[in-house]
Amino acid sequence: ETGVTQSPTHLIKTRGQQVTLRCSSQSGHNTVSWYQQALGQGPQFIFQYYREEENGRGNFPPRFSGLQFPNYSSELNVNALELDDSALYLCASSMRGQGSNEQYFGPGTRLTVT
Amino acid sequence: DQQVKQNSPSLSVQEGRISILNCDYTNSMFDYFLWYKKYPAEGPTFLISISSIKDKNEDGRFTVFLNKSAKHLSLHIVPSQPGDSAVYFCAAENQGGKLIFGQGTELSVKP
Repeated sequence: ETGVTQSPTHLIKTRGQQVTLRCSSQSGHNTVSWYQQALGQGPQFIFQYYREEENGRGNFPPRFSGLQFPNYSSELNVNALELDDSALYLCASSMRGQGSNEQYFGPGTRLTVT
Repeated sequence: DQQVKQNSPSLSVQEGRISILNCDYTNSMFDYFLWYKKYPAEGPTFLISISSIKDKNEDGRFTVFLNKSAKHLSLHIVPSQPGDSAVYFCAAENQGGKLIFGQGTELSVKP
Protein backbone atom coordinates (compact mmCIF):
# COMPACT_ATOMS: atom_id res chain seq x y z
CA GLU A 1 0.00 0.00 0.00
CA THR A 2 1.52 3.32 -1.09
CA GLY A 3 1.03 6.46 0.95
CA VAL A 4 0.15 9.95 -0.22
CA THR A 5 2.78 11.49 -2.47
CA GLN A 6 3.15 15.09 -3.63
CA SER A 7 5.23 16.80 -6.27
CA PRO A 8 7.28 18.84 -6.48
CA THR A 9 8.88 19.00 -3.04
CA HIS A 10 9.94 22.63 -3.37
CA LEU A 11 9.05 25.34 -5.82
CA ILE A 12 10.03 28.97 -6.29
CA LYS A 13 7.78 31.22 -8.37
CA THR A 14 7.52 34.92 -9.10
CA ARG A 15 4.54 37.08 -8.15
CA GLY A 16 1.87 36.98 -10.87
CA GLN A 17 2.86 33.53 -12.16
CA GLN A 18 0.75 30.39 -12.05
CA VAL A 19 1.59 27.11 -10.34
CA THR A 20 0.30 23.53 -10.41
CA LEU A 21 0.88 21.16 -7.52
CA ARG A 22 0.20 17.43 -7.75
CA CYS A 23 -0.94 14.77 -5.35
CA SER A 24 -1.39 11.01 -5.57
CA SER A 25 -3.79 9.69 -2.98
CA GLN A 26 -3.30 6.62 -0.86
CA SER A 27 -4.38 3.39 -2.51
CA GLY A 28 -8.11 2.77 -2.01
CA HIS A 29 -8.94 6.35 -1.02
CA ASN A 30 -11.57 8.29 -2.98
CA THR A 31 -11.37 11.75 -1.40
CA VAL A 32 -8.62 14.36 -1.58
CA SER A 33 -8.36 17.53 0.48
CA TRP A 34 -5.89 20.38 0.08
CA TYR A 35 -4.57 22.54 2.90
CA GLN A 36 -2.32 25.58 3.11
CA GLN A 37 0.01 25.82 6.09
CA ALA A 38 1.67 29.16 6.70
CA LEU A 39 4.70 29.35 8.96
CA GLY A 40 3.77 28.89 12.63
CA GLN A 41 0.12 28.13 11.86
CA GLY A 42 -2.04 25.06 11.55
CA PRO A 43 -3.12 23.81 8.12
CA GLN A 44 -6.04 25.73 6.60
CA PHE A 45 -8.61 23.93 4.46
CA ILE A 46 -8.64 25.03 0.81
CA PHE A 47 -11.05 22.53 -0.76
CA GLN A 48 -11.96 18.88 -1.01
CA TYR A 49 -12.65 16.64 -4.02
CA TYR A 50 -14.79 13.53 -4.00
CA ARG A 51 -15.37 11.50 -7.15
CA GLU A 52 -13.92 14.25 -9.32
CA GLU A 53 -16.25 16.96 -7.97
CA GLU A 54 -15.48 19.78 -5.56
CA ASN A 55 -17.07 18.87 -2.25
CA GLY A 56 -16.57 21.86 0.00
CA ARG A 57 -14.35 24.90 -0.08
CA GLY A 58 -12.63 27.01 2.54
CA ASN A 59 -12.10 30.75 2.59
CA PHE A 60 -9.82 30.97 -0.45
CA PRO A 61 -10.31 33.11 -3.57
CA PRO A 62 -11.28 31.63 -6.97
CA ARG A 63 -7.68 31.84 -8.21
CA PHE A 64 -7.20 28.67 -6.15
CA SER A 65 -8.71 25.84 -8.18
CA GLY A 66 -8.37 22.10 -8.35
CA LEU A 67 -9.06 18.90 -10.19
CA GLN A 68 -9.46 15.28 -9.25
CA PHE A 69 -8.85 12.56 -11.83
CA PRO A 70 -10.53 9.16 -12.27
CA ASN A 71 -7.62 7.49 -10.46
CA TYR A 72 -8.33 9.88 -7.53
CA SER A 73 -5.08 11.80 -7.93
CA SER A 74 -5.45 15.56 -7.76
CA GLU A 75 -4.02 18.92 -8.78
CA LEU A 76 -4.07 22.28 -7.05
CA ASN A 77 -3.71 25.29 -9.35
CA VAL A 78 -3.01 28.80 -8.14
CA ASN A 79 -3.18 31.72 -10.58
CA ALA A 80 -1.79 35.24 -10.21
CA LEU A 81 0.50 34.27 -7.36
CA GLU A 82 0.89 36.69 -4.47
CA LEU A 83 3.67 36.90 -1.89
CA ASP A 84 1.24 35.68 0.81
CA ASP A 85 0.75 32.42 -1.11
CA SER A 86 4.18 31.34 0.13
CA ALA A 87 3.41 28.35 2.34
CA LEU A 88 3.51 24.58 2.68
CA TYR A 89 0.71 23.01 0.63
CA LEU A 90 -0.53 19.72 1.99
CA CYS A 91 -2.65 17.14 0.28
CA ALA A 92 -4.59 14.58 2.31
CA SER A 93 -6.54 11.55 1.17
CA SER A 94 -9.31 9.64 2.90
CA MET A 95 -12.00 7.07 2.27
CA ARG A 96 -15.36 8.75 2.49
CA GLY A 97 -18.09 6.77 4.20
CA GLN A 98 -15.91 5.08 6.82
CA GLY A 99 -16.90 6.90 9.97
CA SER A 100 -14.30 9.40 11.08
CA ASN A 101 -12.66 11.25 8.24
CA GLU A 102 -9.12 10.20 9.14
CA GLN A 103 -7.14 12.02 6.54
CA TYR A 104 -3.66 10.84 5.58
CA PHE A 105 -1.28 13.58 4.59
CA GLY A 106 1.50 13.77 2.06
CA PRO A 107 4.84 15.44 2.86
CA GLY A 108 3.75 18.71 1.27
CA THR A 109 5.05 21.08 -1.37
CA ARG A 110 6.93 24.14 -0.10
CA LEU A 111 6.01 27.08 -2.37
CA THR A 112 7.99 30.29 -2.21
CA VAL A 113 6.71 33.34 -4.10
CA THR A 114 9.23 36.13 -4.66
CA ASP B 1 -12.56 33.49 13.66
CA GLN B 2 -10.44 30.76 15.22
CA GLN B 3 -12.82 27.85 15.82
CA VAL B 4 -10.10 25.55 17.18
CA LYS B 5 -7.46 26.91 19.52
CA GLN B 6 -4.32 25.53 21.05
CA ASN B 7 -3.23 28.19 23.50
CA SER B 8 0.15 26.72 24.39
CA PRO B 9 2.66 27.11 21.57
CA SER B 10 5.16 24.87 23.37
CA LEU B 11 5.47 22.29 26.13
CA SER B 12 8.56 20.71 27.68
CA VAL B 13 8.32 17.42 29.59
CA GLN B 14 10.80 15.01 31.14
CA GLU B 15 11.07 11.54 29.63
CA GLY B 16 8.80 9.05 31.41
CA ARG B 17 6.40 11.71 32.67
CA ILE B 18 2.95 12.59 31.34
CA SER B 19 2.48 15.09 28.50
CA ILE B 20 -0.87 16.86 28.40
CA LEU B 21 -1.76 18.87 25.31
CA ASN B 22 -4.88 20.99 25.35
CA CYS B 23 -7.33 22.23 22.75
CA ASP B 24 -10.47 24.38 22.88
CA TYR B 25 -13.19 24.75 20.27
CA THR B 26 -16.19 26.99 19.76
CA ASN B 27 -18.55 25.06 17.46
CA SER B 28 -20.68 22.42 19.20
CA MET B 29 -21.62 20.89 15.82
CA PHE B 30 -18.28 19.20 15.20
CA ASP B 31 -18.61 15.41 14.67
CA TYR B 32 -15.09 14.20 15.36
CA PHE B 33 -11.92 15.50 16.91
CA LEU B 34 -8.50 14.32 15.83
CA TRP B 35 -4.90 14.70 16.90
CA TYR B 36 -2.05 14.82 14.42
CA LYS B 37 1.69 14.80 15.00
CA LYS B 38 4.08 16.57 12.67
CA TYR B 39 7.83 16.26 12.30
CA PRO B 40 9.80 18.85 10.31
CA ALA B 41 9.77 18.23 6.53
CA GLU B 42 6.95 15.69 6.85
CA GLY B 43 3.18 15.90 6.56
CA PRO B 44 1.00 15.55 9.67
CA THR B 45 0.54 11.96 10.85
CA PHE B 46 -2.80 10.85 12.27
CA LEU B 47 -2.53 9.82 15.94
CA ILE B 48 -5.94 9.32 17.51
CA SER B 49 -9.52 10.53 17.17
CA ILE B 50 -12.67 10.73 19.24
CA SER B 51 -16.30 10.91 18.25
CA SER B 52 -18.36 13.77 19.67
CA ILE B 53 -20.60 11.20 21.39
CA LYS B 54 -17.75 9.82 23.50
CA ASP B 55 -15.67 11.33 26.27
CA LYS B 56 -12.55 9.17 26.14
CA ASN B 57 -10.58 7.16 23.63
CA GLU B 58 -7.39 5.29 24.38
CA ASP B 59 -4.73 3.81 22.10
CA GLY B 60 -1.60 2.57 23.77
CA ARG B 61 0.26 5.46 25.35
CA PHE B 62 -2.18 8.00 23.87
CA THR B 63 -5.52 8.95 25.42
CA VAL B 64 -7.84 11.70 24.25
CA PHE B 65 -10.43 13.19 26.60
CA LEU B 66 -13.41 15.23 25.41
CA ASN B 67 -15.36 17.59 27.67
CA LYS B 68 -18.30 18.78 25.60
CA SER B 69 -19.73 21.13 28.19
CA ALA B 70 -16.41 22.97 28.35
CA LYS B 71 -15.75 22.56 24.62
CA HIS B 72 -12.31 21.26 25.52
CA LEU B 73 -10.25 18.25 24.60
CA SER B 74 -6.87 17.04 25.69
CA LEU B 75 -4.29 14.50 24.59
CA HIS B 76 -2.40 12.59 27.26
CA ILE B 77 0.84 10.79 26.43
CA VAL B 78 2.08 8.41 29.10
CA PRO B 79 4.93 7.73 29.44
CA SER B 80 6.47 10.42 27.25
CA GLN B 81 9.44 9.41 25.11
CA PRO B 82 12.06 11.56 23.33
CA GLY B 83 10.67 10.31 19.99
CA ASP B 84 7.37 12.01 20.85
CA SER B 85 9.04 15.41 20.36
CA ALA B 86 7.12 17.02 17.51
CA VAL B 87 4.40 19.57 16.80
CA TYR B 88 0.94 18.32 17.77
CA PHE B 89 -2.17 19.63 16.02
CA CYS B 90 -5.69 19.31 17.28
CA ALA B 91 -8.34 19.23 14.53
CA ALA B 92 -12.13 19.22 14.46
CA GLU B 93 -14.21 17.73 11.65
CA ASN B 94 -17.53 19.15 10.54
CA GLN B 95 -20.34 17.29 8.76
CA GLY B 96 -18.80 18.19 5.42
CA GLY B 97 -15.58 16.34 6.21
CA LYS B 98 -13.54 19.51 6.47
CA LEU B 99 -10.80 19.54 9.11
CA ILE B 100 -10.25 22.72 11.09
CA PHE B 101 -6.87 22.79 12.77
CA GLY B 102 -5.50 24.56 15.81
CA GLN B 103 -2.21 26.42 15.63
CA GLY B 104 -0.20 23.53 17.06
CA THR B 105 1.80 22.87 20.22
CA GLU B 106 5.47 21.98 20.00
CA LEU B 107 6.25 19.18 22.46
CA SER B 108 9.81 18.63 23.61
CA VAL B 109 10.52 15.50 25.64
CA LYS B 110 13.87 15.70 27.39
CA PRO B 111 15.86 12.57 28.29
